[in-house]
Order: sequence, then C-alpha cells, then structure tokens
Amino acid sequence: GAGVSQSPSNKVTEKGKDVELRCDPISGHTALYWYRQRLGQGLEFLIYFQGNSAPDKSGLPSDRFSAERTGESVSTLTIQRTQQEDSAVYLCASSRQGDTEAFFGQGTRLTVV
Amino acid sequence: AQSVTQLDSHVSVSEGTPVLLRCNYSSSYSPSLFWYVQHPNKGLQLLLKYTSAATLVKGINGFEAEFKKSETSFHLTKPSAHMSDAAEYFCVVSKSSGDKLTFGTGTRLAVRP
Repeated sequence: GAGVSQSPSNKVTEKGKDVELRCDPISGHTALYWYRQRLGQGLEFLIYFQGNSAPDKSGLPSDRFSAERTGESVSTLTIQRTQQEDSAVYLCASSRQGDTEAFFGQGTRLTVV
Repeated sequence: AQSVTQLDSHVSVSEGTPVLLRCNYSSSYSPSLFWYVQHPNKGLQLLLKYTSAATLVKGINGFEAEFKKSETSFHLTKPSAHMSDAAEYFCVVSKSSGDKLTFGTGTRLAVRP
C-alpha cells in the first residue's frame, strides 16, 4: 500500500488479556516507530527500529510491553496482561534510512475494560 | 538528550488573523525539527521540517517556521488563519542523523469565525 497500515483500527479487550497490534510500514522504509497517545495528550515514544541495529526500547513503560520486527517489514506490538491505563491510541510510523521525516499510520485505538 | 517545549497548550484566534504557535527545543546535537498537525479523528500529517538548510521553512497550507539557534526556537506561523486550521499541532525534534522523534505536548488551535 501507499501508506503505513495498522490493524486492527479498534480493539476492545478485557483487563488481563494479551493483545497484539500490527504495523505494516511503507515498503523500503528501514526505520519504524511505535508511539502511544492517551486521550487529550501528546505522543509518548515506545520503541524504535532502524534496519538491523538493536532497537531503542527506552520508551517501553513496563515489561508487559514488547515489540518485534521481521526484517524491514511488519512489526507487532504486544501488550501482556492489559491494564486500564493501557487504553490509548497506538501509532506506528516509518521512515527511509537517513531521512527523519516519518509517515504515520491511522493508529489502533485500544480500550481495556 | 533532546526535548521540545510547546509554550501554549491552547491558542484561539479569529479567522483571518495571524497564527503563532511557539516551540522551544533542547538538543545536544544539531537537530532536525518538525511540525505535525493532527485533525480530529485523522492521522498525523507533516506540515514542515527543518534539517539544517534554510532557516526559514515553508510548509503546506501557508504555514512556515523559522529556526533560531540563538533563541533555541522553532515557532510556527501563518499570516491568516482559516477555519480548517483548527487542529492539534505538535513540535517535534530529532537528531539530524536520524533517530527517534521526540514530540512536544501539543498546542490545540481554535479558529473563531
């Protein structure tokens, strides 16, 4: 596709369940980012993948959060044992190597009930 | 480390009057700076970016921003506000060599008829 694709667009889950969020970056983009945006707030950095380098995981809020990326393609953000404070929109973005301009997906709205 | 401070959480202007959204940055490196816009229920869109070329950067929809190293500022301006400019605006900083994007807390722009 032409842009960054995220799925699902909406997810409602029960507290304590695990969830997986998917991001398909723009083809050829080596960098991939995950951000979280709580209602009415700014974007909170979670994790950053750049090519074959070790990912920057410094923004992951707890060990319940993890992310993987297969090569330079799809990434999955996993949240284990979800809590109500995990409710937010999770945004994925990608960019070309050496280019800091990032293109964002529409996000996954996660609601933990 | 790098950070941005958006000095106003809310700005309200009348249609046809100038817009000024303020942003100050802190960076240990020569930074790349961006402004993104987020319309309600829509994804993030890049307005403009500064990457050490011209200090006055022109973006889409008539917006521009000036990089002032002496003031560590990157304020966003537009000569004449339009109703469609009502949105959330984020100032963003990154290392010029490519790194994670650090977002400000956002400024909500309201445009009065």
